[in-house]
Amino acid sequence: DAEITQSPRHKITETGRQVTLACHQTWNHNNMFWYRQDLGHGLRLIHYSYGVQDTNKGEVSDGYSVSRSNTEDLPLTLESAASSQTSVYFCASSEGLNYEQYFGPGTRLTVT
Amino acid sequence: QKEVEQNSGPLSVPEGAIASLNCTYSDRGSQSFFWYRQYSGKSPELIMSIYSNGDKEDGRFTAQLNKASQYVSLLIRDSQPSDSATYLCAVNNQGNQFYFGTGTSLTVIP
Repeated sequence: DAEITQSPRHKITETGRQVTLACHQTWNHNNMFWYRQDLGHGLRLIHYSYGVQDTNKGEVSDGYSVSRSNTEDLPLTLESAASSQTSVYFCASSEGLNYEQYFGPGTRLTVT
Repeated sequence: QKEVEQNSGPLSVPEGAIASLNCTYSDRGSQSFFWYRQYSGKSPELIMSIYSNGDKEDGRFTAQLNKASQYVSLLIRDSQPSDSATYLCAVNNQGNQFYFGTGTSLTVIP
């Protein structure tokens, strides 16, 4: 069955370190998204991609970057981790614009 | 003004009752609307999508869309304790930006 996976599921890192969160989908979806979820803020869009070599900034993109070299993967990099980036991160994908998004299991990141 | 607004709750209903969850959105040109369910510590799970005015039914769930009032709702009939979760409303606006509400917490009391 097609699925979307994230790794690691839990990560503890120190302030200032670079961290990369992986997202892999086997749906063959063109669209992929990264969100963070914090209490009181709901899901907020970080970056998104509509296809290979395409990346776009979302609502809360500062301090994050993504690259899309193939259809299946959209890794999220925190260039220099900050305590404010402690959160749960979800990756999602969709077949196209206006279509529903399907979510990965999430990564809980703690920056100490 | 937030793109998508939901009453955070918590909403409590007795088992077997109808739970009514509401959502409003700001972009009148929004095209597509979704309801997700999220259990504590889990990822959002799609329940329903709706694109046209009116009602859409799927089992115990009914989504209602009123574009003139910029209002989307989700009704859960015969509520079960397993329906206890946070329900997220999502809207794809005319700029093809996907926005989520902060969610409504539902508790179904046995």
